[in-house]
Amino acid sequence: KNEVEQSPQNLTAQEGEFITINCSYSVGISALHWLQQHPGGGIVSLFMLSSGKKKHGRLIATINIQEKHSSLHITASHPRDSAVYICAISGNQFYFGTGTSLTVIP
Amino acid sequence: KAGVTQTPRYLIKTRGQQVTLSCSPISGHRSVSWYQQTPGQGLQFLFEYFSETQRNKGNFPGRFSGRQFSNSRSEMNVSTLELGDSALYLCASSLVHRDSYEQYFGPGTRLTVT
Repeated sequence: KNEVEQSPQNLTAQEGEFITINCSYSVGISALHWLQQHPGGGIVSLFMLSSGKKKHGRLIATINIQEKHSSLHITASHPRDSAVYICAISGNQFYFGTGTSLTVIP
Repeated sequence: KAGVTQTPRYLIKTRGQQVTLSCSPISGHRSVSWYQQTPGQGLQFLFEYFSETQRNKGNFPGRFSGRQFSNSRSEMNVSTLELGDSALYLCASSLVHRDSYEQYFGPGTRLTVT
């Protein structure tokens, strides 16, 4: 049983496209995290959410606590956005989704 | 400000041995969490330390242990290594608690067990 489900698993987009990655979870949480992992392995924390919406540059993250759902949007996608995006939830435990592998083609 | 550092970056050990990995958090950060990443299981939470106390623990056997020192540096130890322990081990630090402040990840230690 997976506490965190992400979709899609893989995503290929043309440069400039609007991208959405979805995350659903099944347990109570203190916070939801969106992480980015590049091929070298390094992980960067993009957002930490407990409610509402956050925006950093071209990235937007939203969360609906009642529906146990979060989305990560990338506007005007660029090849440098190519990476694996991982949703994680935290409370007493910390559960990760399996990640969405995004490739943006020039 | 220096980022999170982990040592060593690469390690090869033999089944049955034990290993100690080290993590130095960002200066001023008091929370350190450890994670294991494998191709089969993905990312999994090991444990979190705050002010030298283990705050949370994931579902790993007792062979996996950790500690945090008064300067917030943390170590994790794996005893009686198994082939399945081969993984990238990541640590992350945050100011107070990972749910209150964002985490900063280290580059990881890649452990290979032969």
